[in-house]
Amino acid sequence: DSGVTQTPKHLITATGQRVTLRCSPRSGDLSVYWYQQSLDQGLQFLIQYYNGEERAKGNILERFSAQQFPDLHSELNLSSLELGDSALYFCASSASGLALGTGELFFGEGSRLTVL
Amino acid sequence: SQQGEEDPQALSIQEGENATMNCSYKTSINNLQWYRQNSGRGLVHLILIRSNEREKHSGRLRVTLDTSKKSSSLLITASRAADTASYFCAIRSNAGNMLTFGGGTRLMVKP
Repeated sequence: DSGVTQTPKHLITATGQRVTLRCSPRSGDLSVYWYQQSLDQGLQFLIQYYNGEERAKGNILERFSAQQFPDLHSELNLSSLELGDSALYFCASSASGLALGTGELFFGEGSRLTVL
Repeated sequence: SQQGEEDPQALSIQEGENATMNCSYKTSINNLQWYRQNSGRGLVHLILIRSNEREKHSGRLRVTLDTSKKSSSLLITASRAADTASYFCAIRSNAGNMLTFGGGTRLMVKP
């Protein structure tokens, strides 16, 4: 158990809909990262938050948004869903948001999104 | 792209044999990490090697890093069926906070 909790584990929805994925980081970790894993794209970095502030942005679509709340949990919002958004969405946390000297990420078990 | 690229994409060996996976990258790095993922599960950190290190060991794992060739290798010795998983290298560059992952190597260890 990594200590990172993601909900829901599975989600099935229709095209055009909006969903929210939730992540609780390990106790004490200030950084939260979101990744998308699909069969043909591998593991793609979406966005990182550190102590409530956005720190790095990757290949995140404009239809997607995220935030980190004062209690450090994070939510990833996916809107106007398309078939191609079907994927595993992972949240990970780490103690530090600094580029230098940073260590490992702790991953949750992921939220599997299926868009029909 | 900063992303690491693993080679081979898939590897099948017998229990007891050694498994070697390679990772190449394009940018200067702060560190390189290896992760394991069982099918459909979250990634688990295995080992981290910093840019000023050349080799690191952890149990049956050995990681090497050659910054001049921008490559790393992960060796799993005396493999077990339970080692069956996908293995990913991840690059932490000097330029940003991101940890970018390669496409992974799918390892199958047959009993």
